[in-house]
Amino acid sequence: GAGVSQSPRYKVAKRGQDVALRCDPISGHVSLFWYQQALGQGPEFLTYFQNEAQLDKSGLPSDRFFAERPEGSVSTLKIQRTQQEDSAVYLCASSLTGYGYTFGSGTRLTVV
Amino acid sequence: AQTVTQSQPEMSVQEAETVTLSCTYDTSESNYYLFWYKQPPSRQMILVIRQEAYKQQNATENRFSVNFQKAAKSFSLKISDSQLGDTAMYFCAFMKPSFGGSNYKLTFGKGTLLTVNP
Repeated sequence: GAGVSQSPRYKVAKRGQDVALRCDPISGHVSLFWYQQALGQGPEFLTYFQNEAQLDKSGLPSDRFFAERPEGSVSTLKIQRTQQEDSAVYLCASSLTGYGYTFGSGTRLTVV
Repeated sequence: AQTVTQSQPEMSVQEAETVTLSCTYDTSESNYYLFWYKQPPSRQMILVIRQEAYKQQNATENRFSVNFQKAAKSFSLKISDSQLGDTAMYFCAFMKPSFGGSNYKLTFGKGTLLTVNP
């Protein structure tokens, strides 16, 4: 596609529910990143994929967070047993090479 | 670990005037990249300008330019001839290239909300 597509755009989850956020990167982009942006803050790194390999997951805040990219294209960020502190915008970005990120418009998750 | 500090939570400017947004960072690396991103209400991060630390010349993109002071670890953004469409959150970001030169993660500041008034 022409850009990075994320869905859903908004998600409201009850505390304790599991959620899955989808990222469809630009076709052919090798690198894919997930960031978490709390209200009024800058984005914070969660995890990084190069093709299907998850090379860095140091930013995932707990074992309730899990990301995958099984075929090296679409990626899913899953959050189990959501808690209020998980409320944030989740941004996905992809890159062909170097520092040329393209970001998606994010998913705003609200846990009630 | 790298840190990025934006000391101005909010700024405003009149249309057609010039405004400067401040950013400082802390790193022990000698080779790195610095970025300014714009985030409008649509939430998509849009690259405004990029600076490679090994380049002494300040980057310029049309109305946007930076003042990169490597020794002082300062990276300010100047917006000339401000337009209403420049209203957005602006984030300063740092990237340390991974070994081999492939891209890697960004460390962002907390952002500056810029409002351009008519």
